[in-house]
Amino acid sequence: EVQLVESGGGLIEPGGSLRLSCAASGFTFSNYWMHWVRQAPGKGLVWVSAITRDGITTRYADSVKGRFTISRDNAKNTVYLQMNSLRAEDTAVYYCARVDNPGGKDAFDIWGQGTMVTVSS
Amino acid sequence: DIQMTQSPSSLSASVGDRVTITCRASQTISSHLNWYQQKPGKAPTLLIYLASSLERGVPSRFSGSGSGTDFSLTISSLQPEDFATYYCQQSYSTPPDTFGQGTKLEIK
Repeated sequence: EVQLVESGGGLIEPGGSLRLSCAASGFTFSNYWMHWVRQAPGKGLVWVSAITRDGITTRYADSVKGRFTISRDNAKNTVYLQMNSLRAEDTAVYYCARVDNPGGKDAFDIWGQGTMVTVSS
Repeated sequence: DIQMTQSPSSLSASVGDRVTITCRASQTISSHLNWYQQKPGKAPTLLIYLASSLERGVPSRFSGSGSGTDFSLTISSLQPEDFATYYCQQSYSTPPDTFGQGTKLEIK
């Protein structure tokens, strides 16, 4: 079964750090760009970050640039999001998602179940 | 950045109704428009990609159309399981991969 499973969320104080993980299974992980998308409580979907298949190139939303770092370990089939200097406005469910470039869909075709990050004192 | 605007923001309809949700891009995105469904407490799922291609396993009552800046998602005959929030997303000029604000489809 093709799936993504996130972990690492939790309650963290403003200014703190957290590392999210997303473990992939059921497909050739190294063939796909991977993304993080977040959703604040009661709000819409917001793209956060992306990483290329080889992990060399990364992209970030302006709101997290300089604070978040995306990385991947193709040997472990896992993508990470290191979040530093966390703010209250970073409170959200964080989803990892795969973009089906090989299949030509150019869409987020597989999503994880999400992990909740709450930034509060 | 390309902005995506959905309308309406919310919609009440009955089982069996035909409903259409629209999405407008702030500049042309060719056919690089995707639609997602999200149910409460769940991750989004892909319904339509590249404006009109039905994702595998998605019922044929869902269809998408449009190109350039104007797009639509149509559900031909609403089923109880279709009551959810729908998002459009452009993949033409990224990053960022921008989403519409969502359309909440509720039971009348």
